[in-house]
Amino acid sequence: DGGITQSPKYLFRKEGQNVTLSCEQNLNHDAMYWYRQDPGQGLRLIYYSQIVNDFQKGDIAEGYSVSREKKESFPLTVTSAQKNPTAFYLCASKGGNAFFGQGTRLTVV
Amino acid sequence: GQNIDQPTEMTATEGAIVQINCTYQTSGFNGLFWYQQHAGEAPTFLSYNVLDGLEEKGRFSSFLSRSKGYSYLLLKELQMKDSASYLCAVRDYGQNFVFGPGTRLSVLP
Repeated sequence: DGGITQSPKYLFRKEGQNVTLSCEQNLNHDAMYWYRQDPGQGLRLIYYSQIVNDFQKGDIAEGYSVSREKKESFPLTVTSAQKNPTAFYLCASKGGNAFFGQGTRLTVV
Repeated sequence: GQNIDQPTEMTATEGAIVQINCTYQTSGFNGLFWYQQHAGEAPTFLSYNVLDGLEEKGRFSSFLSRSKGYSYLLLKELQMKDSASYLCAVRDYGQNFVFGPGTRLSVLP
């Protein structure tokens, strides 16, 4: 089945540690996105990539980094520089509309 | 700038009809999308409008007026499972999505 897979669904990390969230898609989409969602708020764009080996900052890129070495994969690293990393993170790829992964809920303690 | 407005919360009764409004001001317009998101899950695609008018899809319909920067999602014959957040999103000329804050709909028996 075609789709987007994010893992893990729940992730706990200690403050000051970097953590990488995985996103894989087999839809053959060129464009991939990372969003952050906080309680009661909409989706805010962190980074996006329109093609392999290229990516652009979104509205809230500070404290995050990404890579796009393969078409299928767009991992997001939440660095220790991100001041408030606890949130729900959604990865999406875009064909005619946006298809989302199941999300990763990151809690930093 | 980019701005999308939706009501924060709405409540309706099972079997009733509810209309969720969305107004937008974006730097470009290349389609308006509605997504449904249950708590803790990924958004799922509901509807898409690029031309003015009404698009009907079973119990769900979506309307667009580009001149007014206005859309609505109409849900008929409400069911308990329709309790969710509904996200309005505009695709810009760069093919990126800008999301509204979402409307949390509670369906009461």
